[in-house]
Amino acid sequence: EVQLLESGGRLVQPGGSLRLSCVVSGFRFSGYAMSWVRQAPGQGLEWVASVDDDGAVTYYVDSVKGRFTISRDNSKNTVFLQMSSLRAEDTAVYYCAKDRRVAPLYYFEFWGQGTLVTVSS
Amino acid sequence: QTVVTQEPSLSVSPGGTVTLTCGLRSASVSSSFYPSWYQQTPGQAPRTLIYNTNSRSSGVPDRFSGSILGNRAALTITGAQADDESDYYCLLYTASGSGIYVLGGGTKLTVL
Repeated sequence: EVQLLESGGRLVQPGGSLRLSCVVSGFRFSGYAMSWVRQAPGQGLEWVASVDDDGAVTYYVDSVKGRFTISRDNSKNTVFLQMSSLRAEDTAVYYCAKDRRVAPLYYFEFWGQGTLVTVSS
Repeated sequence: QTVVTQEPSLSVSPGGTVTLTCGLRSASVSSSFYPSWYQQTPGQAPRTLIYNTNSRSSGVPDRFSGSILGNRAALTITGAQADDESDYYCLLYTASGSGIYVLGGGTKLTVL
């Protein structure tokens, strides 16, 4: 059974930093890209960042470039999202997802249950 | 900036058929955008329904189908059921240099 378990979300002040983690089981983690997708309260889904299978290549939505860093530790089946210079508009539930980033696929195959990040003073 | 458009809301009668669409403001959606579709009920994580335009994810009933209709991607639900009442999101892959994904704003489907 595939499982993705996010953690690390909490209340943080504007300008602060936070690291989210997502531990994966049920598939060969090192063989697949991974992504983070967020959802602000009452809003739609927004893709945030992706990392390829060995961590060498990363992709970001423009609004987080220079502030967020996605990385992974294949020895621990874990993907991370390091967030800094946090803003109120970063408040959201953050989901990690198994990313089938290869032709002809390019979709999110499995999703975690999410972790809530609240940026507020 | 790539903007993906979806109908904000739609409704369907139980047993009826409804088509949700996914477009681009500045281009036509084709299979080369690898459209995929996700279902989300309040408080739950998204569930993957369709990928690569028309391939169903494992365990997804065949009343859900994907296609390209004109210049838009489409998700059709045939024989709608009460528990199909959800938010539906489409995802497009834009390979134009940045390798990014763009999600639509979602369609809230009501079954009544």
